[in-house]
Amino acid sequence: NAGVMQNPRHLVRRRGQEARLRCSPMKGHSHVYWYRQLPEEGLKFMVYLQKENIIDESGMPKERFSAEFPKEGPSILRIQQVVRGDSAAYFCASSPGRVANEQFFGPGTRLTVL
Amino acid sequence: DQQVKQNSPSLSVQEGRISILNCDYTNSMFDYFLWYKKYPAEGPTFLISISSIKDKNEDGRFTVFLNKSAKHLSLHIVPSQPGDSAVYFCAASERGATNKLIFGTGTLLAVQP
Repeated sequence: NAGVMQNPRHLVRRRGQEARLRCSPMKGHSHVYWYRQLPEEGLKFMVYLQKENIIDESGMPKERFSAEFPKEGPSILRIQQVVRGDSAAYFCASSPGRVANEQFFGPGTRLTVL
Repeated sequence: DQQVKQNSPSLSVQEGRISILNCDYTNSMFDYFLWYKKYPAEGPTFLISISSIKDKNEDGRFTVFLNKSAKHLSLHIVPSQPGDSAVYFCAASERGATNKLIFGTGTLLAVQP
């Protein structure tokens, strides 16, 4: 009965490198959400995906950030050419459907940009 | 533009007493509200929720109250236990939107033994 899984748990990158964060939703869940928590702040919505579709990316920075949720495999949040301001905790959540409001969160990936 | 506000960054309560965490919102389109609990280095854990058609929802030691006219909700924990010490986030979602959650900045609850 695995919950939402995220890997890696910790990721260190140098400025200019790429970061790839992975999220496997709970079994039976087809909706995935990504949130970012900057230090001393609450969680901020980034993107909402269903299998092979981006439904809402209104919280995603316009440049360098992209997300996908392929037919097979985990959802990926990709950050190109990372900068120090990208250092944060990135949380993935899943839900069984759009109507269900409760979202279940993974443990997060803590990204540190040196 | 902070649509969900938790104005108390921290709260300290004695074990066995009631903890009351508050949350205010500004968007009248919000129709579903949730409370999450978060320990350091872990993801948020869902606690309890309430629809805008209700004014109270109870689950064990946790009760959430919603006052729509004041755009205010509160989470009551009674009796408080040391294991309740964590950061509590209030979140809201909007009618007809994509189910994204808008979070407050959190309240750190410390329950003293």
